[in-house]
Amino acid sequence: GDSVTQMEGPVTLSEEAFLTINCTYTATGYPSLFWYVQYPGEGLQLLLKATKADDKGSNKGFEATYRKETTSFHLEKGSVQVSDSAVYFCAFTNAGKSTFGDGTTLTVKP
Amino acid sequence: EAQVTQNPRYLITVTGKKLTVTCSQNMNHEYMSWYRQDPGLGLRQIYYSMNVEVTDKGDVPEGYKVSRKEKRNFPLILESPSPNQTSLYFCASSLSTVRSYEQYFGPGTRLTVT
Repeated sequence: GDSVTQMEGPVTLSEEAFLTINCTYTATGYPSLFWYVQYPGEGLQLLLKATKADDKGSNKGFEATYRKETTSFHLEKGSVQVSDSAVYFCAFTNAGKSTFGDGTTLTVKP
Repeated sequence: EAQVTQNPRYLITVTGKKLTVTCSQNMNHEYMSWYRQDPGLGLRQIYYSMNVEVTDKGDVPEGYKVSRKEKRNFPLILESPSPNQTSLYFCASSLSTVRSYEQYFGPGTRLTVT
């Protein structure tokens, strides 16, 4: 069945460090892929998306590329800030059913 | 302002006492969905609706009911809550189920069943 596997957390980085959060998926067909971010005490909000193979989604310095051959959608940022501390979810929706990863908690220290 | 609203935001109840969590969106979205978030388990889909009068089970539907009589509203009903339904619940909506549309989430409802 459909599934999303995310890199286990928590992840703790110093400000300006490079971030990678791995995400691999199993899906029938080729759904659009999403990264959502959840700040403390809030609901999830879209961070970025990619709709087809080799597409790169980007927003706020974050990037992720839809890799069909490796079924991956890894999230990267070149220089994290304290304000990036949050929980990050990789996800897709297939014929109405939505599948989310377990979430990766990122803490960025000054 | 385009948004998804949920009520109540916090609820403490006792086992077996029926409750309803309301969800409403003002974006004329076709798709709506309910999730529960539990530590270490991520977000799990409870039910979803592709349009008015069309609902389907997600991954964890047991103990829950939903209805979609109007496009904007998608209430979640717990007929006989149990302690294992203590969780953080999110409602979400999307323009449609066409592959590229993202979901918009409500602020969450924290439910405690004692």
